[in-house]
Amino acid sequence: QVQLVESGGDVVQSGRSLRLSCKASGFTFRSYGMHWVRQAPGKGLEWVAVIWSDGSDRYSTDSVKGRFTISRDNSKNMLFLQMNSLRAEDTAVYYCARDRGSGSYFFDYWGLGTLVTVSS
Amino acid sequence: EIVMTQSPATLSVSPGERATLSCRASQSVTTNLAWYQQKPGQAPRLLIYGASTRATGIPARFSGGGSGTEFTLIINSLQSEDFAVYYCQQYNNWPRAFGPGTKVDMK
Repeated sequence: QVQLVESGGDVVQSGRSLRLSCKASGFTFRSYGMHWVRQAPGKGLEWVAVIWSDGSDRYSTDSVKGRFTISRDNSKNMLFLQMNSLRAEDTAVYYCARDRGSGSYFFDYWGLGTLVTVSS
Repeated sequence: EIVMTQSPATLSVSPGERATLSCRASQSVTTNLAWYQQKPGQAPRLLIYGASTRATGIPARFSGGGSGTEFTLIINSLQSEDFAVYYCQQYNNWPRAFGPGTKVDMK
């Protein structure tokens, strides 16, 4: 069965960096696009970034452009989110989610999330 | 950038009744619209994609409809496990966008 397990969440000071990881299993990882979606405490869902199945393309939301970088290692079934220059408004549960296709569809499986808290 | 809105913000329904949730896009997303259910402390779960196709394992009491800018999610004969927050999401344009959610709670 499809499993996505995020890790790397922590309490960090504003301006610092953090790297999130997502370990995938139960499917052919290299065949699917992958996303990061976040949810601030008590708030709704916000899409963060996508990377194509082969890593050839990626997009991110404007609020993280230039600060966050999505990447993947298909040999290890791993997805990453490098977060630099963190701000208080980045505080959220970060979910990795599988794309239904190579990267341009909806999210058919989600991990349980990892909490990032940015303190000022 | 496409903005998604949902109404109502909260819907109070008795078990066994029907719930009708609405979602609107600020411009056409054709039928590239998905619905997700999220319960407290849990990850979202895909319910509907392509505006009207139920995801694997989703009961037939969930149905979706609409195209362009107006969409609905109907939950027939609401069960206790259906009380949750429901989000719509467009996947027609970048950036991907979610609606603010509709909370379905017990009347």
